[in-house]
Amino acid sequence: DTEVTQTPKHLVMGMTNKKSLKCEQHMGHRAMYWYKQKAKKPPELMFVYSYEKLSINESVPSRFSPECPNSSLLNLHLHALQPEDSALYLCASSQVSRGQRGEKLFFGSGTQLSVL
Amino acid sequence: QKEVEQDPGPLSVPEGAIVSLNCTYSNSAFQYFMWYRQYSRKGPELLMYTYSSGNKEDGRFTAQVDKSSKYISLFIRDSQPSDSATYLCAMVGNQFYFGTGTSLTVIP
Repeated sequence: DTEVTQTPKHLVMGMTNKKSLKCEQHMGHRAMYWYKQKAKKPPELMFVYSYEKLSINESVPSRFSPECPNSSLLNLHLHALQPEDSALYLCASSQVSRGQRGEKLFFGSGTQLSVL
Repeated sequence: QKEVEQDPGPLSVPEGAIVSLNCTYSNSAFQYFMWYRQYSRKGPELLMYTYSSGNKEDGRFTAQVDKSSKYISLFIRDSQPSDSATYLCAMVGNQFYFGTGTSLTVIP
């Protein structure tokens, strides 16, 4: 089973809304990631959690707030987003921690976010 | 110079053709190389993973790595319409680097 599950699949929100994206994996992976992907662009790294601790924050605006409640779950809390934040948000997991030998990413299907 | 260069295409081929997708890179520290397939509005799916120079085959897919030339390739034999997608190369040094992706259309 190499499945990473993301919900919701689609989300439309206004600039004053608060919403959350959810990600779950049951592969026992040690690292979990949030990526943002604009159309026809490669994924851009936002956050990395290793062993449930935030290890990397790629200078992401504070209107994006990650949370890792346990080793299987990863959330991304959204507040006061801008229209330019509209994108596909991808969760990924890896069996080994970031930067370790054998790191390979398994992605979820993503949440297509539209900010109005 | 970008860490990873990939021709964005688009690439259009007839069904049954052999497809060649390529990436070049500049950082000799890269040790692990991957190819991902991404359908429209879906997450990338890991297709191939290699860590040394040479070829690795999986069904209709062959991944080739030439570390001396800093060049990797993905070959798709007997291409099918279901192979129509964007293909991303990825490399790992101290972090993940993605190519920009090549858009492939296989015409029935």
